[in-house]
Amino acid sequence: EPEVTQTPSHQVTQMGQEVILRCVPISNHLYFYWYRQILGQKVEFLVSFYNNEISEKSEIFDDQFSVERPDGSNFTLKIRSTKLEDSAMYFCASSEGWWEGTEAFFGQGTRLTVV
Amino acid sequence: AQKITQTQPGMFVQEKEAVTLDCTYDTSDQSYGLFWYKQPSSGEMIFLIYQGSYDEQNATEGRYSLNFQKARKSANLVISASQLGDSAMYFCAMREGGSQGNLIFGKGTKLSVKP
Repeated sequence: EPEVTQTPSHQVTQMGQEVILRCVPISNHLYFYWYRQILGQKVEFLVSFYNNEISEKSEIFDDQFSVERPDGSNFTLKIRSTKLEDSAMYFCASSEGWWEGTEAFFGQGTRLTVV
Repeated sequence: AQKITQTQPGMFVQEKEAVTLDCTYDTSDQSYGLFWYKQPSSGEMIFLIYQGSYDEQNATEGRYSLNFQKARKSANLVISASQLGDSAMYFCAMREGGSQGNLIFGKGTKLSVKP
């Protein structure tokens, strides 16, 4: 069964450093998402991406964050100048479409720890 | 105002018993989708079941069923014949028809199945 894959599974970084989280969405999907889950809290939407541009972003997704689809398969989230409060699980998801009934397939997540 | 409300932070159920996890939602859209995801301690997000706002029948997937009461704006998850492997966090989520496909999550319910 096709799946969304994320690398690395766990990343530790020093405060102030830049990190890039990588995702390979399901190959025939057109819509890509990043979500964040701070430990013990709910999953929060960060950004959606379609046709090589951001289609929607939340208040959390400020200038510190950026997304890119550098080639035909990868979808990346870059976090510049990381802060302690960026420590969280980051999930990538993809879907065939954006309509309300479309299932979003999630990757296994990248646990980011900022020290 | 919260768009998705899960009022039960934690629930216990005896193995082989049924359990209902509550979810209420708030939207002014006529067209929307409701989803339940399971998050085991390993962290991944597993899709369980989907209900569309126009679906007249309650959704079922194996031991999972969704008790959809549109007038009350509730979408409770029913797990029948609980198993030890059902112990996990359960998140209710909504995708609104007017959105670009992003999911809005509730805070989750931690289900513990007792042997």
